[in-house]
Order: sequence, then structure tokens, then C-alpha cells
Amino acid sequence: KQEVTQIPAALSVPEGENLVLNCSFTDSAIYNLQWFRQDPGKGLTSLLLIQSSQREQTSGRLNASLDKSSGRSTLYIAASQPGDSATYLCAVTNTDKLIFGTGTRLQVFP
Amino acid sequence: SAVISQKPSRDICQRGTSLTIQCQVDSQVTMMFWYRQQPGQSLTLIATANQGSEATYESGFVIDKFPISRPNLTFSTLTVSNMSPEDSSIYLCSVNSPSGETQYFGPGTRLLVL
Repeated sequence: KQEVTQIPAALSVPEGENLVLNCSFTDSAIYNLQWFRQDPGKGLTSLLLIQSSQREQTSGRLNASLDKSSGRSTLYIAASQPGDSATYLCAVTNTDKLIFGTGTRLQVFP
Repeated sequence: SAVISQKPSRDICQRGTSLTIQCQVDSQVTMMFWYRQQPGQSLTLIATANQGSEATYESGFVIDKFPISRPNLTFSTLTVSNMSPEDSSIYLCSVNSPSGETQYFGPGTRLLVL
């Protein structure tokens, strides 16, 4: 059974810091891995999707890497801003289902 | 991307009652998904709803507790029946993106059962 774990569970940092969020999964037979952002009352927004054959994806200040063999992914946020405050979820796709981690709650203060 | 709305956005309910959550999508989709997010937990898939057929439930979820309707290609409802405080969660619906690689999510329904 696929299990997805995220570390840390919560993070509070001053504006401008570079951050690394971690995600690990137990079954390396995945189709892809995604990072989502969850804002209260606004649902989830997909940030980055990495196919199983890819090593990383970048979008603006965000960079996500994938090491499928070791069951790990990291989300790197450069020059964090207060608007980045949210819960970040990683999810892997096994067959046709998304399996989510428990998330990292990020607060960036001015 | 698809625009998904949910009603209600939040509710406080008494133990033993039932609540029906509505999910509306601005485009026709084959499959709609219902998730539960308990406090401090990850999202867990409850069931997949296909139009014109019975919903497919994940392990640990049953139709009697979470009946689902899917009357057309843009709408679905999830009912949380005979509620207990353990049902206090955020309930989200989602649909596949056109490529099928990701999912779009509704804003969620925050439920508190007293």
C-alpha cells in the first residue's frame, strides 16, 4: 500500500528565505508526482507535475525534483514571500488514483 | 482549467442528521471524485462517480454512509448520513484535467458535527 509522508509538518520562516519541503513515498511504481497548494476555502491548486521519467520541473520560484528510485521528492521555494503562506501537499499517482501526503503548513512572515 | 463550485461552503450539524453536499462543474466531465480531509490528515478518496452508473467506493467507505448521485455530466452530490463527530472534515470534489494528468478541485465543504 502506497504511503506518502511529508516533512516538516509545519514551517514558519521570515520573508526572503529559500525553503525545501520534503516528500517521500513507499512504492516507486508511480506514474507521476504532483505538488499542490491548499489555501483555506479555495481548494487545491496544482503547482508542478513531474512525470515518472523526469527528474525535475520548474515554475517561477518553484522547483520540484523527483528521485523515484529512492522514493523522494523535494519542493524548493526561492525567495519566499508572505503570499506563499499555505499548505503544500504532494501526491503520487498509482494506477488512476491520487494518493496524498499529510502536507506541510508554511507560514512566511514579513 | 475547470471551475468547480461546492455548496455549502461550511456547515455545523447535529449528531445523527444527514448533510448533502453539491458539486457543480462548468464543463462536462466523465468522472467526478469525492475526497475527505480529516483534521490534520491527508486527502482520502471516498468514491468515484460516473454519470449513469453506480459510484465506485474506496476501501473503508460504503454507499449507505456516503450515498452519491450523478444525475448529469456537470453535477454530483455527496450525502454524509447519520453523522457523528468523527465525520467532521473538509469534503472536496474534483475532476480530471483534459489531459488526465492532474485533477482540478473544488473549494471544499467544511463540516463540523457536534
